[in-house]
Amino acid sequence: AQKVTQAQTEISVVEKEDVTLDCVYETRDTTYYLFWYKQPPSGELVFLIRRNSFDEQNEISGRYSWNFQKSTSSFNFTITASQVVDSAVYFCALSEPLNQGGKLIFGQGTELSVKP
Amino acid sequence: EPEVTQTPSHQVTQMGQEVILRCVPISNHLYFYWYRQILGQKVEFLVSFYNNEISEKSEIFDDQFSVERPDGSNFTLKIRSTKLEDSAMYFCANSGVSWETQYFGPGTRLLVL
Repeated sequence: AQKVTQAQTEISVVEKEDVTLDCVYETRDTTYYLFWYKQPPSGELVFLIRRNSFDEQNEISGRYSWNFQKSTSSFNFTITASQVVDSAVYFCALSEPLNQGGKLIFGQGTELSVKP
Repeated sequence: EPEVTQTPSHQVTQMGQEVILRCVPISNHLYFYWYRQILGQKVEFLVSFYNNEISEKSEIFDDQFSVERPDGSNFTLKIRSTKLEDSAMYFCANSGVSWETQYFGPGTRLLVL
């Protein structure tokens, strides 16, 4: 069965520190998508990135970067030079194939607190 | 930029009452989903909907729950007889084609007393 594990429940850093959020997934499918979503204190879910299982290139978007390693079933998220506005709960998610409904399976989330 | 909207933003109801949560998806999106998040917990899948029928539903989505697209635009989640444990944030999500990114609405916070 598909599963997403975010072992870090809470992380606290001081502004300008780099921080990495871990995500490990399990799936028997050969084709799948992985996602990261941000949930700020206001509660909405904000899409950050999507990665398909065939593309293991790392991606960088400003201060955000993602490291996808299929060999270890991990999709980690790094924030460089963190800012107070990065404080939120971050969810990693795995998408099931269409013939299984296409739903997202979420990890438990990592609550990031960035202190000034 | 098109976005998903949900109404109401908050709803308080008495146990046993019916509630209807509404979602206006991004136009031309074809796949619709409801998820819920109990306070402090992870986001859980409830149901997926495509071509005017349910594609998949979770164990949570029992006979008390139903979904429909009454007018081809709105997408609703009905809970017929609410229980205390239905208190949660309910998110609507949709995507253009399967496996495209699912865009989430802002959520409806439901409190059952």
